[in-house]
Amino acid sequence: GQQVMQIPQYQHVQEGEDFTTYCNSSTTLSNIQWYKQRPGGHPVFLIQLVKSGEVKKQKRLTFQFGEAKKNSSLHITATQTTDVGTYFCAGPASGTYKYIFGTGTRLKVLA
Amino acid sequence: NAGVTQTPKFQVLKTGQSMTLQCAQDMNHEYMSWYRQDPGMGLRLIHYSVGAGITDQGEVPNGYNVSRSTTEDFPLRLLSAAPSQTSVYFCASSYYRAAYEQYFGPGTRLTVT
Repeated sequence: GQQVMQIPQYQHVQEGEDFTTYCNSSTTLSNIQWYKQRPGGHPVFLIQLVKSGEVKKQKRLTFQFGEAKKNSSLHITATQTTDVGTYFCAGPASGTYKYIFGTGTRLKVLA
Repeated sequence: NAGVTQTPKFQVLKTGQSMTLQCAQDMNHEYMSWYRQDPGMGLRLIHYSVGAGITDQGEVPNGYNVSRSTTEDFPLRLLSAAPSQTSVYFCASSYYRAAYEQYFGPGTRLTVT
């Protein structure tokens, strides 16, 4: 079945440093979604990318969808303590409505 | 709007007991789904529904049943609880077949002893 892997699994950064998480799917995705989950909370939608090579920005967050639509990345510039949490990517299994979530990247920001 | 609500927030079951986790949404969303989250495993799809009367299996459906008699409600039934089902369960809904953002409920933390 389809697999969605994320690297790294964990990342500790000093406040102010940049952070990037990578998402790789075993199959081509029609779209990809990104979610953030704060410790003890539930996943919250951040963004959806649909087009090959698409780049979207939300303040300090930059999301990119690969040209082959099999990978994606989330880059945070100048991290803040409010960025702490786990970031997940998710994409639909080919030809279905099943959304498969990546393994997640847990970000810790040291003040 | 209350969004997606889940009850109970916490539950402890003994092996072999059955129970139903409740999920409701008031956004008139077609798509609803159940995920379980285990440490280091991310979110795994259990069952999903694209509309009232229509359900399908996700990645890890064994040991769980669902039904969707109304647009608003999507209960998850554990028929005979096992320790391996200890997890945090999230319900989510989306406007149309998950092609839009999914809204998650606050989760149910289930422990099976």
